[in-house]
Amino acid sequence: KNEVEQSPQNLTAQEGEFITINCSYSVGISALHWLQQHPGGGIVSLFMLSSGKKKHGRLIATINIQEKHSSLHITASHPRDSAVYICAVQGAQKLVFGQGTRLTINP
Amino acid sequence: DTAVSQTPKYLVTQMGNDKSIKCEQNLGHDTMYWYKQDSKKFLKIMFSYNNKELIINETVPNRFSPKSPDKAHLNLHINSLELGDSAVYFCASSQDPLAGSTDTQYFGPGTRLTVL
Repeated sequence: KNEVEQSPQNLTAQEGEFITINCSYSVGISALHWLQQHPGGGIVSLFMLSSGKKKHGRLIATINIQEKHSSLHITASHPRDSAVYICAVQGAQKLVFGQGTRLTINP
Repeated sequence: DTAVSQTPKYLVTQMGNDKSIKCEQNLGHDTMYWYKQDSKKFLKIMFSYNNKELIINETVPNRFSPKSPDKAHLNLHINSLELGDSAVYFCASSQDPLAGSTDTQYFGPGTRLTVL
């Protein structure tokens, strides 16, 4: 079993829908990262959080340290949001990654 | 002005060859990393260096040897390439996690290695 589990693995939705991607982890962490990998392969860091909630545009990330769980939400989803979203936890000096969630937003 | 750059972007080579991938960051970060992304798109850390010193080596075969000539560069040299080495390799950098802080990691564009 991976130390970081994401769900769902694949998600297809219509433009405008509210999207939630979940991440659960089983190890102690100092922070949790949400990354976006574009179809072209590039990886961009979206959020790094260690408590509470962060918002950037239409993206919201939350974390519950006690429950070892984080969610990434996308409001008013758009086809350009189509990408793989990766959760990664910061342990002892290194990141441990989830398997990614492939999101497809249809127009 | 690219923050983390890697060369080459694509690398196709025969089994048994030796190859290098170069990485440079212009962010003034202290720590650099190499990650491998396999065919199932799963990312795993291979190495990390802080100020030219190795701090993480994740059970990577000895055929892989990272080299950090200065804190802005972390190159990956691979000897005797095998079919299973085919993957996308990402370089990344961040501020100093050893100082007890955590920081965003900035990723390079990746190098797709194909071993024939």
